[in-house]
Amino acid sequence: AQSVSQHNHHVILSEAASLELGCNYSYGGTVNLFWYVQYPGQHLQLLLKYFSGDPLVKGIKGFEAEFIKSKFSFNLRKPSVQWSDTAEYFCATEPANGGATNKLIFGTGTLLAVQP
Amino acid sequence: KAGVTQTPRYLIKTRGQQVTLSCSPISGHRSVSWYQQTPGQGLQFLFEYFSETQRNKGNFPGRFSGRQFSNSRSEMNVSTLELGDSALYLCASSFDADTQYFGPGTRLTVL
Repeated sequence: AQSVSQHNHHVILSEAASLELGCNYSYGGTVNLFWYVQYPGQHLQLLLKYFSGDPLVKGIKGFEAEFIKSKFSFNLRKPSVQWSDTAEYFCATEPANGGATNKLIFGTGTLLAVQP
Repeated sequence: KAGVTQTPRYLIKTRGQQVTLSCSPISGHRSVSWYQQTPGQGLQFLFEYFSETQRNKGNFPGRFSGRQFSNSRSEMNVSTLELGDSALYLCASSFDADTQYFGPGTRLTVL
């Protein structure tokens, strides 16, 4: 069965520190990959997505993620975090099957707290 | 462009009752997906509707059902509520099989 693992459940960083959140998935076929963010009191928002092509994907607010197929990973990175990045981050995947399927499998989420 | 809207935002029910939640997608979007979010299980896919037909289904019991209308609005119904159904129910819309945009959710509490 398809699954997504986020190994960091709670991360605390100081402003300007670099961020890397781990995400690994298990699925035998082609997948689409996503990172969503949920700021306090707000909706889930898409940070970035990978469907195909360049494995290094750039998203909003300075975030990027790299798809490493051999490691089944899609780690999220940001070189310098800000207090406003405090949020919960979700990695998600879906079977590609020639396109998206709208059946997202989410990881358990990583709660990021950035201290000013 | 207005985002995904969900009504009601909060709901309290008792065990055994049934509940209907509503989702209005972004204008022009034809796909609506539903997810359940709980502290223990995280975000789990319930089902997806596209052009009034259920296109994908998750692993939830038959008490969870849904439908989609010709204007793409969708409703989700849960019958015979159990305490474990207490959750945040999220709706997401997309034009077809592409990026999903999420609504604010309906917080259901079952007493």
